[in-house]
Amino acid sequence: DTGVSQDPRHKITKRGQNVTFRCDPISEHNRLYWYRQTLGQGPEFLTYFQNEAQLEKSRLLSDRFSAERPKGSFSTLEIQRTEQGDSAMYLCASSLGGTGGTATNEKLFFGSGTQLSVL
Amino acid sequence: DQQVKQNSPSLSVQEGRISILNCDYTNSMFDYFLWYKKYPAEGPTFLISISSIKDKNEDGRFTVFLNKSAKHLSLHIVPSQPGDSAVYFCAASAGDMRFGAGTRLTVKP
Repeated sequence: DTGVSQDPRHKITKRGQNVTFRCDPISEHNRLYWYRQTLGQGPEFLTYFQNEAQLEKSRLLSDRFSAERPKGSFSTLEIQRTEQGDSAMYLCASSLGGTGGTATNEKLFFGSGTQLSVL
Repeated sequence: DQQVKQNSPSLSVQEGRISILNCDYTNSMFDYFLWYKKYPAEGPTFLISISSIKDKNEDGRFTVFLNKSAKHLSLHIVPSQPGDSAVYFCAASAGDMRFGAGTRLTVKP
């Protein structure tokens, strides 16, 4: 199965520490998305990439968050100086994508997520 | 700003009966709507979608209905099976994809 994979599945860290998550999308997919989900809520959009270019960033994404997709394949999401409010499930998704600068008519394939707990 | 709303956090139905999950949206620019299903400890998986140019899309036991004038869509599952028990998310896209808060469906044997 060559679905979307995320690593690690779980991460426990102390407040103030930096954490980095990795996402490997489906190999032929051009678009890669990061979402955050907290208990009782749906996934909240954070950012997405078309190949290696980061095309959109949510206002939710503070300066402590940075995402990269250096070669247009895997992506990393780093959170610096973690806070307890960062505790959530971080979901990565990928899609085939299309031409143009917007991501309409997309079907996202999600990974299993990284569950972050900040103590 | 919650542009996609699922007002029922939970729904319980008997096996074999119909499950109807509802979703409302506020942004008239949304042009593509999807339903995702999520089991515990897994990411959401795509279930069914509908373009704004249609009002119905059917796939086996699953049918999605879109009422653009009311900005409302619904997912019908018939007959419901215990394996359908999961959290169902409604999503809408006009660029980035927005999700509702989810409805937990429980199908009782």
